[in-house]
Amino acid sequence: DAGVIQSPRHEVTEMGQEVTLRCKPISGHDYLFWYRQTMMRGLELLIYFNNNVPIDDSGMPEDRFSAKMPNASFSTLKIQPSEPRDSAVYFCASRPDRGQWDTGELFFGEGSRLTVL
Amino acid sequence: DQQVKQNSPSLSVQEGRISILNCDYTNSMFDYFLWYKKYPAEGPTFLISISSIKDKNEDGRFTVFLNKSAKHLSLHIVPSQPGDSAVYFCAATRQGGATNKLIFGTGTLLAVQP
Repeated sequence: DAGVIQSPRHEVTEMGQEVTLRCKPISGHDYLFWYRQTMMRGLELLIYFNNNVPIDDSGMPEDRFSAKMPNASFSTLKIQPSEPRDSAVYFCASRPDRGQWDTGELFFGEGSRLTVL
Repeated sequence: DQQVKQNSPSLSVQEGRISILNCDYTNSMFDYFLWYKKYPAEGPTFLISISSIKDKNEDGRFTVFLNKSAKHLSLHIVPSQPGDSAVYFCAATRQGGATNKLIFGTGTLLAVQP
């Protein structure tokens, strides 16, 4: 079975440029999460979706960040304009809805390493 | 405000010895805790979990202990092996419900020396 697929794996861009990260969740999973990994904050939740609807975007650092999920098999995280402090590894994760027994266990993609010069 | 804290950024142990990774949390509403393991250039993968109704859960070489009164959990790996070298993330959540989400700590880099 295919896992969570992210692209690109690596992105190097210059400050001010637009960056778009992409994610394909595991088929049948109802939830999709975007996390950012930095040394200082570890794995930081940015936003998550349930059935393609954004549920909580309180972790999005500022208006330069936006995320969409136009359908159940695709999501994007966009940064416009990008800044050097956005350099990090961005992870997408998904999980099914297990109702009251839901433990929140996530399945992660391999991440997109972003470097903003 | 970091709700889940891993105060040791790194830990080095000898092969065959015990590795103990610690995690503290502040939110008393958390009732389910997970450990994830991450190798370089890969995504985190689930390792072991524990519900707040238990104080211990064991899976092979890995055991997680939960002390609810202290809001503290620990992961024990025994015996440690070089292949265990990775970053370990502690995570916490409220079980069930549409709003449950994993809150992660900053991670601990474990190095197991041959």
